[in-house]
Amino acid sequence: DTGVSQDPRHKITKRGQNVTFRCDPISEHNRLYWYRQTLGQGPEFLTYFQNEAQLEKSRLLSDRFSAERPKGSFSTLEIQRTEQGDSAMYLCASSSGTSVSNEQFFGPGTRLTVL
Amino acid sequence: AQSVTQLGSHVSVSEGALVLLRCNYSSSVPPYLFWYVQYPNQGLQLLLKYTSAATLVKGINGFEAEFKKSETSFHLTKPSAHMSDAAEYFCAVTVTGANNLFFGTGTRLTVIP
Repeated sequence: DTGVSQDPRHKITKRGQNVTFRCDPISEHNRLYWYRQTLGQGPEFLTYFQNEAQLEKSRLLSDRFSAERPKGSFSTLEIQRTEQGDSAMYLCASSSGTSVSNEQFFGPGTRLTVL
Repeated sequence: AQSVTQLGSHVSVSEGALVLLRCNYSSSVPPYLFWYVQYPNQGLQLLLKYTSAATLVKGINGFEAEFKKSETSFHLTKPSAHMSDAAEYFCAVTVTGANNLFFGTGTRLTVIP
Protein backbone atom coordinates (compact mmCIF):
# COMPACT_ATOMS: atom_id res chain seq x y z
CA ASP A 1 0.00 0.00 0.00
CA THR A 2 1.71 3.15 -1.19
CA GLY A 3 -0.77 5.67 0.12
CA VAL A 4 -2.67 8.33 -1.79
CA SER A 5 -0.76 9.75 -4.73
CA GLN A 6 -1.42 12.92 -6.70
CA ASP A 7 -0.10 14.10 -10.02
CA PRO A 8 1.32 16.55 -10.82
CA ARG A 9 2.79 17.88 -7.58
CA HIS A 10 3.12 21.35 -9.02
CA LYS A 11 1.37 23.09 -11.88
CA ILE A 12 1.98 26.58 -13.19
CA THR A 13 -0.46 27.84 -15.77
CA LYS A 14 -1.60 31.06 -17.34
CA ARG A 15 -4.97 32.57 -16.61
CA GLY A 16 -7.61 31.18 -18.90
CA GLN A 17 -5.97 27.80 -19.45
CA ASN A 18 -7.50 24.49 -18.43
CA VAL A 19 -5.76 22.18 -15.97
CA THR A 20 -6.42 18.63 -14.85
CA PHE A 21 -5.18 16.93 -11.70
CA ARG A 22 -5.16 13.22 -10.94
CA CYS A 23 -5.59 11.40 -7.64
CA ASP A 24 -4.94 7.72 -7.05
CA PRO A 25 -6.49 6.68 -3.73
CA ILE A 26 -5.47 3.78 -1.56
CA SER A 27 -6.70 0.68 -3.31
CA GLU A 28 -10.00 -0.65 -1.99
CA HIS A 29 -10.93 2.74 -0.49
CA ASN A 30 -14.45 3.46 -1.64
CA ARG A 31 -14.59 7.07 -0.50
CA LEU A 32 -12.63 9.84 -2.19
CA TYR A 33 -12.54 13.54 -1.32
CA TRP A 34 -11.12 16.68 -2.87
CA TYR A 35 -10.18 19.67 -0.72
CA ARG A 36 -8.62 23.01 -1.49
CA GLN A 37 -6.13 24.70 0.80
CA THR A 38 -5.02 28.30 0.45
CA LEU A 39 -2.16 29.93 2.29
CA GLY A 40 -2.85 30.31 5.98
CA GLN A 41 -6.09 28.37 5.85
CA GLY A 42 -7.20 24.85 6.58
CA PRO A 43 -8.40 22.54 3.84
CA GLU A 44 -11.87 23.34 2.49
CA PHE A 45 -14.10 20.62 1.12
CA LEU A 46 -14.78 20.60 -2.61
CA THR A 47 -16.42 17.30 -3.48
CA TYR A 48 -16.92 13.69 -2.39
CA PHE A 49 -17.25 10.38 -4.23
CA GLN A 50 -18.50 7.08 -2.98
CA ASN A 51 -17.21 4.58 -5.49
CA GLU A 52 -17.91 6.20 -8.86
CA ALA A 53 -20.82 8.32 -7.69
CA GLN A 54 -20.24 11.99 -6.93
CA LEU A 55 -22.51 12.44 -3.92
CA GLU A 56 -21.75 15.95 -2.75
CA LYS A 57 -20.33 19.16 -4.16
CA SER A 58 -19.43 22.25 -2.18
CA ARG A 59 -20.57 25.71 -3.18
CA LEU A 60 -16.85 26.36 -3.70
CA LEU A 61 -17.02 24.10 -6.74
CA SER A 62 -18.06 26.56 -9.42
CA ASP A 63 -19.19 25.58 -12.89
CA ARG A 64 -15.58 25.80 -14.05
CA PHE A 65 -14.68 22.84 -11.86
CA SER A 66 -15.52 19.26 -12.69
CA ALA A 67 -14.49 16.03 -11.01
CA GLU A 68 -14.82 12.44 -12.07
CA ARG A 69 -14.05 9.04 -10.67
CA PRO A 70 -14.55 6.55 -13.47
CA LYS A 71 -14.94 2.95 -12.32
CA GLY A 72 -14.51 4.03 -8.73
CA SER A 73 -10.72 4.04 -8.89
CA PHE A 74 -8.64 7.13 -9.64
CA SER A 75 -10.19 10.58 -9.79
CA THR A 76 -9.57 13.67 -11.84
CA LEU A 77 -10.29 17.30 -11.03
CA GLU A 78 -10.44 19.69 -13.95
CA ILE A 79 -10.49 23.45 -13.75
CA GLN A 80 -11.51 25.28 -16.90
CA ARG A 81 -10.60 28.87 -17.71
CA THR A 82 -8.39 29.18 -14.65
CA GLU A 83 -8.37 32.39 -12.65
CA GLN A 84 -5.74 33.75 -10.29
CA GLY A 85 -8.06 33.01 -7.40
CA ASP A 86 -7.77 29.32 -8.22
CA SER A 87 -4.16 29.33 -7.02
CA ALA A 88 -4.09 26.92 -4.10
CA MET A 89 -3.05 23.47 -2.96
CA TYR A 90 -5.52 20.83 -4.09
CA LEU A 91 -5.63 17.86 -1.74
CA CYS A 92 -7.12 14.45 -2.35
CA ALA A 93 -8.04 12.05 0.43
CA SER A 94 -9.53 8.59 0.59
CA SER A 95 -11.14 6.43 3.24
CA SER A 96 -12.80 3.07 3.59
CA GLY A 97 -16.11 1.95 4.98
CA THR A 98 -19.34 3.83 5.39
CA SER A 99 -18.68 6.20 8.28
CA VAL A 100 -17.39 9.74 7.91
CA SER A 101 -15.56 9.15 11.19
CA ASN A 102 -13.19 6.73 9.48
CA GLU A 103 -9.72 8.12 8.94
CA GLN A 104 -9.17 10.07 5.76
CA PHE A 105 -5.74 9.47 4.26
CA PHE A 106 -4.39 12.48 2.42
CA GLY A 107 -2.16 12.72 -0.60
CA PRO A 108 0.72 15.22 -0.85
CA GLY A 109 -1.37 17.65 -2.88
CA THR A 110 -1.05 19.47 -6.18
CA ARG A 111 0.06 23.07 -5.87
CA LEU A 112 -1.52 25.22 -8.59
CA THR A 113 -0.17 28.63 -9.49
CA VAL A 114 -2.16 30.71 -11.95
CA LEU A 115 -0.22 33.59 -13.46
CA ALA B 1 -23.42 23.51 10.63
CA GLN B 2 -20.20 22.38 12.24
CA SER B 3 -17.02 24.40 12.72
CA VAL B 4 -13.84 24.54 14.72
CA THR B 5 -11.83 27.48 15.95
CA GLN B 6 -8.13 27.16 16.59
CA LEU B 7 -6.84 29.81 18.96
CA GLY B 8 -3.37 30.98 18.06
CA SER B 9 -2.14 30.74 14.50
CA HIS B 10 1.44 30.47 15.76
CA VAL B 11 2.72 28.78 18.91
CA SER B 12 6.37 28.62 19.98
CA VAL B 13 7.68 26.33 22.68
CA SER B 14 11.13 25.35 23.87
CA GLU B 15 12.37 21.85 23.26
CA GLY B 16 11.24 19.71 26.19
CA ALA B 17 8.40 22.04 27.17
CA LEU B 18 4.69 21.26 27.21
CA VAL B 19 2.85 21.63 23.92
CA LEU B 20 -0.74 22.92 24.10
CA LEU B 21 -2.68 23.63 20.93
CA ARG B 22 -6.23 24.84 21.38
CA CYS B 23 -9.33 23.81 19.47
CA ASN B 24 -12.95 24.69 20.20
CA TYR B 25 -15.78 23.20 18.20
CA SER B 26 -19.33 24.13 17.38
CA SER B 27 -21.88 21.43 16.62
CA SER B 28 -25.56 20.94 17.37
CA VAL B 29 -25.14 17.15 17.41
CA PRO B 30 -22.45 14.90 18.88
CA PRO B 31 -19.25 15.53 16.97
CA TYR B 32 -16.35 13.47 15.75
CA LEU B 33 -13.13 15.41 16.28
CA PHE B 34 -9.72 15.01 14.70
CA TRP B 35 -6.23 16.42 14.90
CA TYR B 36 -4.07 16.27 11.79
CA VAL B 37 -0.44 17.31 11.33
CA GLN B 38 1.05 18.67 8.11
CA TYR B 39 4.78 18.80 7.50
CA PRO B 40 6.13 21.04 4.72
CA ASN B 41 5.36 19.74 1.23
CA GLN B 42 3.48 16.77 2.63
CA GLY B 43 -0.13 15.75 3.02
CA LEU B 44 -2.02 15.72 6.28
CA GLN B 45 -1.42 12.86 8.70
CA LEU B 46 -3.90 11.84 11.38
CA LEU B 47 -2.60 12.27 14.93
CA LEU B 48 -5.72 11.16 16.78
CA LYS B 49 -9.50 11.21 16.69
CA TYR B 50 -12.45 11.27 19.08
CA THR B 51 -15.49 9.21 18.13
CA SER B 52 -17.55 9.23 21.33
CA ALA B 53 -15.63 6.52 23.15
CA ALA B 54 -13.08 7.56 25.78
CA THR B 55 -12.86 11.33 26.26
CA LEU B 56 -9.08 11.20 26.62
CA VAL B 57 -7.65 10.14 23.32
CA LYS B 58 -4.06 9.08 22.82
CA GLY B 59 -2.46 9.44 19.43
CA ILE B 60 0.81 8.96 17.67
CA ASN B 61 4.11 10.60 18.56
CA GLY B 62 3.11 11.10 22.20
CA PHE B 63 0.20 13.45 21.52
CA GLU B 64 -3.12 13.26 23.29
CA ALA B 65 -6.33 15.28 23.40
CA GLU B 66 -9.25 15.49 25.78
CA PHE B 67 -12.85 15.98 24.68
CA LYS B 68 -14.63 18.37 27.05
CA LYS B 69 -18.28 18.75 26.13
CA SER B 70 -18.93 21.43 28.76
CA GLU B 71 -16.20 23.59 27.26
CA THR B 72 -16.74 22.48 23.64
CA SER B 73 -13.01 21.94 23.48
CA PHE B 74 -10.61 19.35 22.11
CA HIS B 75 -7.16 20.69 22.93
CA LEU B 76 -4.03 18.84 21.80
CA THR B 77 -1.18 18.31 24.24
CA LYS B 78 2.23 16.70 24.43
CA PRO B 79 4.28 16.67 27.64
CA SER B 80 7.65 17.33 26.03
CA ALA B 81 8.22 18.97 22.66
CA HIS B 82 10.74 17.58 20.20
CA MET B 83 12.30 19.45 17.32
CA SER B 84 10.56 17.03 14.98
CA ASP B 85 7.17 18.28 16.22
CA ALA B 86 7.58 21.55 14.32
CA ALA B 87 4.74 21.53 11.79
CA GLU B 88 1.25 22.84 11.08
CA TYR B 89 -1.56 21.30 13.13
CA PHE B 90 -5.18 21.23 12.10
CA CYS B 91 -8.25 20.46 14.17
CA ALA B 92 -11.29 19.15 12.29
CA VAL B 93 -14.87 18.20 13.04
CA THR B 94 -17.57 16.17 11.39
CA VAL B 95 -20.85 14.54 12.36
CA THR B 96 -22.89 11.51 11.38
CA GLY B 97 -24.58 12.20 8.07
CA ALA B 98 -21.92 14.63 6.86
CA ASN B 99 -19.64 13.68 4.02
CA ASN B 100 -16.55 15.68 4.82
CA LEU B 101 -14.32 17.18 7.49
CA PHE B 102 -14.52 20.82 8.51
CA PHE B 103 -11.04 22.11 9.31
CA GLY B 104 -9.81 24.96 11.42
CA THR B 105 -7.32 27.49 10.12
CA GLY B 106 -4.37 25.68 11.65
CA THR B 107 -1.67 26.39 14.22
CA ARG B 108 1.96 26.50 13.24
CA LEU B 109 4.12 25.04 15.98
CA THR B 110 7.72 26.19 16.27
CA VAL B 111 10.09 24.33 18.62
CA ILE B 112 13.01 26.37 19.89
CA PRO B 113 16.20 24.46 20.68
